Amino acid sequence: EPEVTQTPSHQVTQMGQEVILRCVPISNHLYFYWYRQILGQKVEFLVSFYNNEISEKSEIFDDQFSVERPDGSNFTLKIRSTKLEDSAMYFCASSERGKHGYTFGSGTRLTVV
Amino acid sequence: GNSVTQMEGPVTLSEEAFLTINCTYTATGYPSLFWYVQYPGEGLQLLLKATKADDKGSNKGFEATYRKETTSFHLEKGSVQVSDSAVYFCALSNSYGNKLVFGAGTILRVKS
Repeated sequence: EPEVTQTPSHQVTQMGQEVILRCVPISNHLYFYWYRQILGQKVEFLVSFYNNEISEKSEIFDDQFSVERPDGSNFTLKIRSTKLEDSAMYFCASSERGKHGYTFGSGTRLTVV
Repeated sequence: GNSVTQMEGPVTLSEEAFLTINCTYTATGYPSLFWYVQYPGEGLQLLLKATKADDKGSNKGFEATYRKETTSFHLEKGSVQVSDSAVYFCALSNSYGNKLVFGAGTILRVKS
């Protein structure tokens, strides 16, 4: 069964550093998403991406965040200057055109120290 | 705006007990509804879904029926197993390609 692949599974970074979280969505999917889950809390939407541009973003997705699909297969989330409160599990997801189904990756646990 | 409300956990049951996890929603239009499950240390897996009123989603013995009149999508299972211990998330989406809006999640613990 096709999978969404995320790397790394765990990243520790110092406050103020830039991080890039990587995702490889399912190959025939056209919609891509990032969500985050702070430990013990609900899963929150960050951003959706379609046709090489952001289609929607939440209030959390401020100027410190950016997304890119640099080569037609990877989908990346960059946090420019990490804060302690960015520590969370970040999930990538993708979905197919015209179908109600979202496949999630297994997540990247980001720890900012 | 759209929102999902789930019953608070944790829910602790003995093996073979009946499970209900309540989920209600607020949304414009006719959303699609989902249950996702998160096993310890893992990502989110789609458990079941329903895309229109009165649809019943089912998988692995779990069921949920889309009730438009009560704006609910309660998750049920007739006989739980220890391996069902996980966090269960109810979610909705308004349209193809739109974001998922999640409930807070309900922890289920099943004891042998």
